[in-house]
Amino acid sequence: ELKVEQNPLFLSMQEGKNYTIYCNYSTTSDRLYWYRQDPGKSLESLFVLLSNGAVKQEGRLMASLDTKARLSTLHITAAVHDLSATYFCAVDHGGAQKLVFGQGTRLTINP
Amino acid sequence: DAGVIQSPRHEVTEMGQEVTLRCKPISGHDYLFWYRQTMMRGLELLIYFNNNVPIDDSGMPEDRFSAKMPNASFSTLKIQPSEPRDSAVYFCASRRSSVYEQYFGPGTRLTVT
Repeated sequence: ELKVEQNPLFLSMQEGKNYTIYCNYSTTSDRLYWYRQDPGKSLESLFVLLSNGAVKQEGRLMASLDTKARLSTLHITAAVHDLSATYFCAVDHGGAQKLVFGQGTRLTINP
Repeated sequence: DAGVIQSPRHEVTEMGQEVTLRCKPISGHDYLFWYRQTMMRGLELLIYFNNNVPIDDSGMPEDRFSAKMPNASFSTLKIQPSEPRDSAVYFCASRRSSVYEQYFGPGTRLTVT
């Protein structure tokens, strides 16, 4: 059974600081997804990482994938309040159709 | 471009009643997914369709749940009879077969009292 684990589950940080969210998964998969969810809202796709060593960046967020270690990271650079949200990673299971989600990391960025 | 459309956005019903949730995927997308989100269990895939055909319903919790996709632009998720433990946010998502990314609808918040 595929399991996806994120840590930390809760993260409170100050504006301007850097931090990393980790996503580990238990079985082989070559595709990993990062989503953002604001309170009471839907999920917004941030990144799709398709191969080992993939790195994608959008603004202050950078995601990377190491399929050999079964690990993805979401790095936040110089955090700003607008990045406060819950971030989910998800992994393919069954040929790009079945996403298994991590528990989510609730990120709070304080002024 | 219109995204995934779900209705209703909020539903409050009494235990034992039938509930029907509706979803319109993005035009041209040939995969449709139903997810459920709760605090206890997180985000779970319930069922998905490809070209209107149910492919995997192993996530459907029990026989009280059923889903249909009569055409490429409409799907329903029905719960009959509903129970308080069905209270959750139900998301519909769709994707095009040539693209891995799934696009989520706004969700339906279901409360069963």
